[in-house]
Amino acid sequence: EAGVTQSPTHLIKTRGQQATLRCSPISGHTSVYWYQQALGLGLQFLLWYDEGEERNRGNFPPRFSGRQFPNYSSELNVNALELEDSALYLCASSLGAQHFGDGTRLSIL
Amino acid sequence: GENVEQHPSTLSVQEGDSAVIKCTYSDSASNYFPWYKQELGKRPQLIIDIRSNVGEKKDQRIAVTLNKTAKHFSLHITETQPEDSAVYFCAASYGYGGSQGNLIFGKGTKLSVKP
Repeated sequence: EAGVTQSPTHLIKTRGQQATLRCSPISGHTSVYWYQQALGLGLQFLLWYDEGEERNRGNFPPRFSGRQFPNYSSELNVNALELEDSALYLCASSLGAQHFGDGTRLSIL
Repeated sequence: GENVEQHPSTLSVQEGDSAVIKCTYSDSASNYFPWYKQELGKRPQLIIDIRSNVGEKKDQRIAVTLNKTAKHFSLHITETQPEDSAVYFCAASYGYGGSQGNLIFGKGTKLSVKP
């Protein structure tokens, strides 16, 4: 069974640009979660989607947004990128316990 | 909102010794407590989880205990091996229906097992 897949693996942007990160959940999983893992800050909850709807969001500004598609895949959009957005962005899917993908490393120059 | 504190931030043990990592949570509504292991450059992997209706759960060398009254849960690793070296994260969430809800993580414990 394929695990959670994320693309791209790495993404390099400059300040002010926009970034789109993608996640495909494990087959049959309807919930997708996004987390930010910045150096030394652990994992911070960003967004939770289930059945196409946003169920909850963490303490992040509105320029972090996303959506879930009918096939349960999801994308995370970050607008007006700032240097502090440099981090590993992890997606998890669940039918119960959460299983993580390998993440997208976003670097802001 | 929920806040999870994790201690210690670093832990060094000799191979064969036991390791204990402790977490406290603030929201008494939280009812699901997973532990993840993250090796360098890899994804976090679920190693064990416990729900609030259970006080203890064991899986081979790993065990988790939960004290709901004190809002405290711990990970115990016995007979540690060098491959146990990694960063361990505890987390808490309020689950309902079939979902465990979004996880709030502790800041992690870097475990080093010396041969």
